[in-house]
Amino acid sequence: GQQLNQSPQSMFIQEGEDVSMNCTSSSIFNTWLWYKQEPGEGPVLLIALYKAGELTSNGRLTAQFGITRKDSFLNISASIPSDVGIYFCAGQSIPYSGAGSYQLTFGKGTKLSVIP
Amino acid sequence: SAVISQKPSRDICQRGTSLTIQCQVDSQVTMMFWYRQQPGQSLTLIATANQGSEATYESGFVIDKFPISRPNLTFSTLTVSNMSPEDSSIYLCSVDISYEQYFGPGTRLTVT
Repeated sequence: GQQLNQSPQSMFIQEGEDVSMNCTSSSIFNTWLWYKQEPGEGPVLLIALYKAGELTSNGRLTAQFGITRKDSFLNISASIPSDVGIYFCAGQSIPYSGAGSYQLTFGKGTKLSVIP
Repeated sequence: SAVISQKPSRDICQRGTSLTIQCQVDSQVTMMFWYRQQPGQSLTLIATANQGSEATYESGFVIDKFPISRPNLTFSTLTVSNMSPEDSSIYLCSVDISYEQYFGPGTRLTVT
């Protein structure tokens, strides 16, 4: 099946630093989604990407859909303590026929720790 | 987006028993999903639950172990049957809205 490689697995950074994480896939996806999960909570959608090459921002977060459709990255600028959490990428293959499962394949996550 | 609630938020259950988890959405949605997240791990899809049809299970998950109901467009249940300690996980429901999936807060299950 499809597999996503997400890196790095964990990061320790100083408050104010920029962060970059990425995901690569062995298969093509139609959509890339980035989520953040905090302890005891479900994943929260941060950014959704729909087109190869697309660059999208959400506040201090910027994500790009790779041109090959097999990769994506997420950048966080000027990190703050509340950025702490686990960030997951997810690729989605939407069946063009309109039938079937809109299955998400998740990366293993990047655990971000911010040192004040 | 959508507001999704799950009940219970957590439970401790004995081996061999069953637990039914409820998922409620504040709007009508066609596609709902159930995921499992084992401690320190990523999310794994258990099944897709569309209203009016049988749930579609992913490889490694079977209906006898994880029966799912989807009686209407705002509600679904997942039952974890004949539980063993290996079933200790977070169980999450999600909904698809315009190709974006939104998740509930999860149900943290511990089986002793």
